[in-house]
Amino acid sequence: KNEVEQSPQNLTAQEGEFITINCSYSVGISALHWLQQHPGGGIVSLFMLSSGKKKHGRLIATINIQEKHSSLHITASHPRDSAVYICAVRGTDKLIFGTGTRLQVFP
Amino acid sequence: NAGVMQNPRHLVRRRGQEARLRCSPMKGHSHVYWYRQLPEEGLKFMVYLQKENIIDESGMPKERFSAEFPKEGPSILRIQQVVRGDSAAYFCASSRTGTPSTDTQYFGPGTRLTVL
Repeated sequence: KNEVEQSPQNLTAQEGEFITINCSYSVGISALHWLQQHPGGGIVSLFMLSSGKKKHGRLIATINIQEKHSSLHITASHPRDSAVYICAVRGTDKLIFGTGTRLQVFP
Repeated sequence: NAGVMQNPRHLVRRRGQEARLRCSPMKGHSHVYWYRQLPEEGLKFMVYLQKENIIDESGMPKERFSAEFPKEGPSILRIQQVVRGDSAAYFCASSRTGTPSTDTQYFGPGTRLTVL
């Protein structure tokens, strides 16, 4: 079993829909990261969380430390949100990555 | 403030050759991390370096791979005698302090290595 599990693996949506991507982890962490990998391969750091909730534009990330679970929400989704979203957790030094959720948003 | 820079962006090598991948961290960042993404797989940690020191190399293959981050100049990931299985995207990230709970890692654009 992977230390970081994401669901769903693939997600399609119509423009405007509310999107939720889930991440569960089984190790102790100091922080959890949400990353976005564009079709061209570049990686952008969206959020780093150690507790609670963060919001940036149409993106919201939450974490429940007791339940070892985090969610990434996208409100009013748009085709430009199409990408792979990756959850990663950090203990002391290294990041441990989930396998990613491939999101496609259609107009 | 330029972001994390990696070069080359694409590298083609024949089996048995050496590959050198370079990473220049963001200005003011002294912590560098290397990750590998094999085709159709997730990212995997390789090595964590601070200036002139290897902090954690638990993700590095035991043979043929080495990394350095000298006092001056970029961090180098070196792969000797490359094999087809080394074909992957190699990403570098940098951070300012290395503090796990507060320090964001910023990723470079990656180097795509193809071994013929």
